[in-house]
Amino acid sequence: DQQVKQNSPSLSVQEGRISILNCDYTNSMFDYFLWYKKYPAEGPTFLISISSIKDKNEDGRFTVFLNKSAKHLSLHIVPSQPGDSAVYFCAAIGSNYQLIWGAGTKLIIKP
Amino acid sequence: DAGVIQSPRHEVTEMGQEVTLRCKPISGHDYLFWYRQTMMRGLELLIYFNNNVPIDDSGMPEDRFSAKMPNASFSTLKIQPSEPRDSAVYFCASSIGGKGLQETQYFGPGTRLLVL
Repeated sequence: DQQVKQNSPSLSVQEGRISILNCDYTNSMFDYFLWYKKYPAEGPTFLISISSIKDKNEDGRFTVFLNKSAKHLSLHIVPSQPGDSAVYFCAAIGSNYQLIWGAGTKLIIKP
Repeated sequence: DAGVIQSPRHEVTEMGQEVTLRCKPISGHDYLFWYRQTMMRGLELLIYFNNNVPIDDSGMPEDRFSAKMPNASFSTLKIQPSEPRDSAVYFCASSIGGKGLQETQYFGPGTRLLVL
């Protein structure tokens, strides 16, 4: 049973527009969430995180929103740039400090 | 710092052979993680260490898989004997913190393993 779900395997967005990547989780005990970005042939790199005591965290073009009641978080990228094309993983910190990963969403930014 | 270093970057071997993947974490990081990524299962945590001690190996798929961390700067993931279904990208990651510190994990470039 997946505890962290990214239901969209891929997403295509026009350059300059907003990209919204979604993530749902099932365990209400998760209290910290992270987004990682992965380019082909490279390891994932940390992008942005949010604690459950917040509902929004912003870093430049990237904003993560957390809706605890819905057990849902989203990553907004605005404006989207060609270099944002990558696979984005949502992750939650579970027990024993393990990261529970979503399956990833491949974001394609069209010029 | 050079980041997390993994070797080899690519490995092609025949079924039944022993495979050893290597990882050097970032200096000062006391957590080390081994992950496997496949198309079917995504990113899976295999095992992680804290201060060189294995904490949770519940993700290790079979007894054919073993991992060691003899010191703070080196870890190995061994598959013996290897099988075609072990073909995947294996990532090593390290981090500073422990539970509650929400420290991010820093990933190596991965080892792409192909077992024929």
